[in-house]
Amino acid sequence: AQKITQTQPGMFVQEKEAVTLDCTYDTSDQSYGLFWYKQPSSGEMIFLIYQGSYDEQNATEGRYSLNFQKARKSANLVISASQLGDSAMYFCAMREVYNQGGKLIFGQGTELSVKP
Amino acid sequence: DGGITQSPKYLFRKEGQNVTLSCEQNLNHDAMYWYRQDPGQGLRLIYYSQIVNDFQKGDIAEGYSVSREKKESFPLTVTSAQKNPTAFYLCASSLRTGAHNEQFFGPGTRLTVL
Repeated sequence: AQKITQTQPGMFVQEKEAVTLDCTYDTSDQSYGLFWYKQPSSGEMIFLIYQGSYDEQNATEGRYSLNFQKARKSANLVISASQLGDSAMYFCAMREVYNQGGKLIFGQGTELSVKP
Repeated sequence: DGGITQSPKYLFRKEGQNVTLSCEQNLNHDAMYWYRQDPGQGLRLIYYSQIVNDFQKGDIAEGYSVSREKKESFPLTVTSAQKNPTAFYLCASSLRTGAHNEQFFGPGTRLTVL
């Protein structure tokens, strides 16, 4: 079964608007971490934001926020005031405490295109 | 500046050759990881190391080997036994294993088999 599901292969957003990228996850662990990474065309994976399973508040980092709904097992990324430089692939990922050294389990990614 | 370096950026391999991809970090991280990315896909774990002189197979270890003789270095060898090695390879590190530390990535190596 898929542990991380990203159902939007591609998304378009107008510059300066907000956009939500969806992510659902599946785990039976109580302690886990959820992460979002950005991958521009250069290929490097850039860490954006982290949410711990015990955190009660949604994480925020500048223009990025994570809408964490634990009961629904969703961890959507919200990008406010989109910029042209936000065009990239975005990956949702999860780490479980005892799973292969805390490897990152990735979704298939969402390609975001920001239109001027 | 602290970070992770990978070399080379591009690598071409002939059939039957072994090649080694370099990964170095100066973040003083205990844990290091190698991932493989195929076009349009997420990353899959090849090998990981939680501490010097110790490493474990990941989900797709067949045809690959690693070593961890120094904390800073975690080289990956792609052997001739790897049937389809053309891919993008990313090295990562984190302060320690577990669920709550972010992993930082190097810039990656693109390997092409000729």
